[in-house]
Amino acid sequence: AQSVTQPDIHITVSEGASLELRCNYSYGATPYLFWYVQSPGQGLQLLLKYFSGDTLVQGIKGFEAEFKRSQSSFNLRKPSVHWSDAAEYFCAVGPLGDYKLSFGAGTTVTVRA
Amino acid sequence: EAQVTQNPRYLITVTGKKLTVTCSQNMNHEYMSWYRQDPGLGLRQIYYSMNVEVTDKGDVPEGYKVSRKEKRNFPLILESPSPNQTSLYFCASWDRATGELFFGEGSRLTVL
Repeated sequence: AQSVTQPDIHITVSEGASLELRCNYSYGATPYLFWYVQSPGQGLQLLLKYFSGDTLVQGIKGFEAEFKRSQSSFNLRKPSVHWSDAAEYFCAVGPLGDYKLSFGAGTTVTVRA
Repeated sequence: EAQVTQNPRYLITVTGKKLTVTCSQNMNHEYMSWYRQDPGLGLRQIYYSMNVEVTDKGDVPEGYKVSRKEKRNFPLILESPSPNQTSLYFCASWDRATGELFFGEGSRLTVL
């Protein structure tokens, strides 16, 4: 069975500081990994995805994530956060080319001035 | 513009009063799904549909029904809502080519 753990429920970061959100997954084969962002009152928007190739993937809004197979992790990073990055972030894992994604519980990011 | 549209966005109802949350997508996706989002639990899948007239249970189907009579529409039906169905609901459709799920903006349901 596949599962996703996001260890941090809530993170507070200062505007301009760096941000790293952790994601650990459990999956028996090659995973298809995603990060989604949910801004207040909005649906989920895809930030980036990984399924093969370069383990460092770039996404929208200046985010990047690194796939580390040995650690079963897919952590999301941003070098300098903006107030508009305040949102809830979800990591998801699924079989390659399949719709059956499992989502983590989410990490809420608060940005302070 | 590619989008998934849900209605209503907000609804307060009472126990036992049947309601339907509509979902429509304009991307010609075959696969559609409903999720509920609860604090600390992330998104849990309620039902999904692989194509017209093909639906199946997700992880938390109890108390819900769905139908898929047209490719673009996938309504979620609560025949007799109960307070434990108070939640934020998302409809999504899946792009087979990219593997991406496209989500609606969510429907916040309160059952009193």
